[in-house]
Amino acid sequence: AQSVAQPEDQVNVAEGNPLTVKCTYSVSGNPYLFWYVQYPNRGLQFLLKYITGDNLVKGSYGFEAEFNKSQTSFHLKKPSALVSDSALYFCAVRKLDDYKLSFGAGTTVTVRA
Amino acid sequence: DAGITQSPRHKVTETGTPVTLRCHQTENHRYMYWYRQDPGHGLRLIHYSYGVKDTDKGEVSDGYSVSRSKTEDFLLTLESATSSQTSVYFCAISEGLVETQYFGPGTRLLVL
Repeated sequence: AQSVAQPEDQVNVAEGNPLTVKCTYSVSGNPYLFWYVQYPNRGLQFLLKYITGDNLVKGSYGFEAEFNKSQTSFHLKKPSALVSDSALYFCAVRKLDDYKLSFGAGTTVTVRA
Repeated sequence: DAGITQSPRHKVTETGTPVTLRCHQTENHRYMYWYRQDPGHGLRLIHYSYGVKDTDKGEVSDGYSVSRSKTEDFLLTLESATSSQTSVYFCAISEGLVETQYFGPGTRLLVL
């Protein structure tokens, strides 16, 4: 079985400060890892993914994520948060050769001005 | 939203009535998926389709059926809606089975 844990229901940061959203995963074999963002009353938007190669992945809107195999983590980061980054963030994992995408419960990010 | 539309966007219905949600894509992607989103659960897969008339169950398929008669349309039917099916339903598409999935805007369903 595969699973994703997002240990923080909520993350609050001040605008201009670094933002980190944590994600750990469990999957047999090599993982595909994804981050999605959901703005209020909108669908999920794809941010970035890790498949193989460089452990630091860069994505949309200035976000990046670092894959750490030994810690089975895939934390999402942004060096300087914006108020417009306030949203619900989902981490997801899939096995290399499988369609089944397992999502974490989500982390609500609030960036205060 | 990656050329995906969902209809209706909002629906209120009563327990025991049938409900059909529609997902329409303009990307000509082979794979289509239905998820439900509930607080504390993230998104969970209901059914998916790997081609016209080809569908399979996901992890929470009980009480739901799907159909795909055309590449661009994927229908989700609740044969007899229950209050536990109150949720937000998302459709997703992908070009290949192991490609990135892109999501539609969602349908908010309330079953009274």
